[in-house]
Amino acid sequence: AQKITQTQPGMFVQEKEAVTLDCTYDTSDPSYGLFWYKQPSSGEMIFLIYQGSYDQQNATEGRYSLNFQKARKSANLVISASQLGDSAMYFCAMRETNTGFQKLVFGTGTRLLVSP
Amino acid sequence: DTGVSQDPRHKITKRGQNVTFRCDPISEHNRLYWYRQTLGQGPEFLTYFQNEAQLEKSRLLSDRFSAERPKGSFSTLEIQRTEQGDSAMYLCASSLMGLRAGTDTQYFGPGTRLTVL
Repeated sequence: AQKITQTQPGMFVQEKEAVTLDCTYDTSDPSYGLFWYKQPSSGEMIFLIYQGSYDQQNATEGRYSLNFQKARKSANLVISASQLGDSAMYFCAMRETNTGFQKLVFGTGTRLLVSP
Repeated sequence: DTGVSQDPRHKITKRGQNVTFRCDPISEHNRLYWYRQTLGQGPEFLTYFQNEAQLEKSRLLSDRFSAERPKGSFSTLEIQRTEQGDSAMYLCASSLMGLRAGTDTQYFGPGTRLTVL
């Protein structure tokens, strides 16, 4: 069964610094997608970045990049040049492709606090 | 705003009452999903529609829960005989089926926070 593990309940970073949020996953499907979402206190899940299991390069979207290490089954999110508005919960999620199921399986999240 | 919308944003009800939530997906999206999120947890999948067909249902979706998407556009999620354990945030998401399987991104609405007294 697919599983996502986020071992950091909370992370602190100073403004303008970079921060890495950890995510490890478990699946027996060789084809899968990995996603990161941001959830501010307002509650809405905001899509940040996607990485496919067969993608050759690590995904990047602006200040967000995904450090994908397939052999270690990790998909860490790197936020560069942190901003105060980055303070939020961050969730890693996975969807298996070959099963045909469309559901996302989420981790328990990491709360990021950016200080001035 | 052309994102996913949900109504109501907050609902307080007494145990035993029925509640219904509505989700309007992004207009061109053919897939629609419902998730439930309790405090301190990530969202948990409930059910999924492709157009008007309900293709996946989680075991979390007990007999008291029913979801519809009658014309392949908006969707409703009804909970009958609510229980205190149903208190949660109910999130709706939509996506557009891509050419490559599994690559479509789910975009979420703001959620409906349900409190059962």
